[in-house]
Amino acid sequence: TQLLEQSPQFLSIQEGENLTVYCNSSSVFSSLQWYRQEPGEGPVLLVTVVTGGEVKKLKRLTFQFGDARKDSSLHITAAQPGDTGLYLCAPRGAQKLVFGQGTRLTINP
Amino acid sequence: NAGVTQTPKFRILKIGQSMTLQCAQDMNHNYMYWYRQDPGMGLKLIYYSVGAGITDKGEVPNGYNVSRSTTEDFPLRLELAAPSQTSVYFCASSPPGLVGNEQFFGPGTRLTVL
Repeated sequence: TQLLEQSPQFLSIQEGENLTVYCNSSSVFSSLQWYRQEPGEGPVLLVTVVTGGEVKKLKRLTFQFGDARKDSSLHITAAQPGDTGLYLCAPRGAQKLVFGQGTRLTINP
Repeated sequence: NAGVTQTPKFRILKIGQSMTLQCAQDMNHNYMYWYRQDPGMGLKLIYYSVGAGITDKGEVPNGYNVSRSTTEDFPLRLELAAPSQTSVYFCASSPPGLVGNEQFFGPGTRLTVL
């Protein structure tokens, strides 16, 4: 049984601060996706990483896939209130995604 | 395109009642999924389908049934509702492929079983 852990589970910081959230697994994955979910809505894809060691940037968000393809991180620079939400990592198994429990991020003005 | 649509948005059931959650997509996606999300938690896969006529169990299939008679529709059936099935249910779809295909989610159905 694969173990998937996201940390921290909750994070509340002030606007303008930097933060990093993590996604760790006991298994190797072919790819991994990060989704953001806002209250009352379904998750929306932010990024897909495929290659071990890959780094992708999306404006102030930087995503990294671990060299061994078992872990990933999301770094946000100068966080804004609009970054508030539940961040879910989803490593891909055969034909389906497996979602972590998420990091609930609150950015205070 | 409407994307993924779900009905109803909210529903309250009594213990032992049954109901069907509807899900439809107009993107011609082969893959469709049903998830449940308990308060403060991530998503758990209930059932998925890789095409019309083909369904398979996810992590938490007990108490649910699905069918996939068309590419567009993927209804989820709850028989004998229990309080443990109180949750928000999300339907999603994606094009086929093992690597990197985005899942598109519906707005969810909030179900309470009393």
